[in-house]
Amino acid sequence: NAGVMQNPRHLVRRRGQEARLRCSPMKGHSHVYWYRQLPEEGLKFMVYLQKENIIDESGMPKERFSAEFPKEGPSILRIQQVVRGDSAAYFCASSHPGGRETQYFGPGTRLLVL
Amino acid sequence: SQELEQSPQSLIVQEGKNLTINCTSSKTLYGLYWYKQKYGEGLIFLMMLQKGGEEKSHEKITAKLDEKKQQSSLHITASQPSHAGIYLCGAKGDYNQGGKLIFGQGTELSVKP
Repeated sequence: NAGVMQNPRHLVRRRGQEARLRCSPMKGHSHVYWYRQLPEEGLKFMVYLQKENIIDESGMPKERFSAEFPKEGPSILRIQQVVRGDSAAYFCASSHPGGRETQYFGPGTRLLVL
Repeated sequence: SQELEQSPQSLIVQEGKNLTINCTSSKTLYGLYWYKQKYGEGLIFLMMLQKGGEEKSHEKITAKLDEKKQQSSLHITASQPSHAGIYLCGAKGDYNQGGKLIFGQGTELSVKP
């Protein structure tokens, strides 16, 4: 049973480019969460999605960031016009439906903005 | 908003020694999760506690949630180099907050052979 998969594992972008991070949840999981770990900071919640629906985006920056989880395919975290401050590790987690279900994390995507 | 504070921030122990990591919440905990992260990798789920006074063990790791549900401890018995990594506690502090997890800043554990 494959775990949560994220790709790419490492991504380098120049300022102003777009970054697309993908997350495939564990088999049977319909809920996806994105977290960001900035250098020297803790892990911070960004967004919580179920298929075709954003449940909680209270942690998403107001501009340039968007997330989706379509009916078919992986969840996508999209960062437009990246800046150096976006450099971080982005983690995806998935769970079964329900507020008390355990979240299982992927290996993360390390984004470096030059 | 809820905050989680972990102590100590870092810990170096000799192989074979016992150790404890604490996680204290500013609010009542509704679900407390312990994860381990190796440098440059993702988080590995260890244990989840929900009820006041609950205690769970897996191999040499024991986690407890206090009766008031505001503090949890993670205890490792007879530490090994494989236990090294960053330990994170995460919580859903608000019963109505759904899936969002709030994390402590982490405790970095090093085990000297």
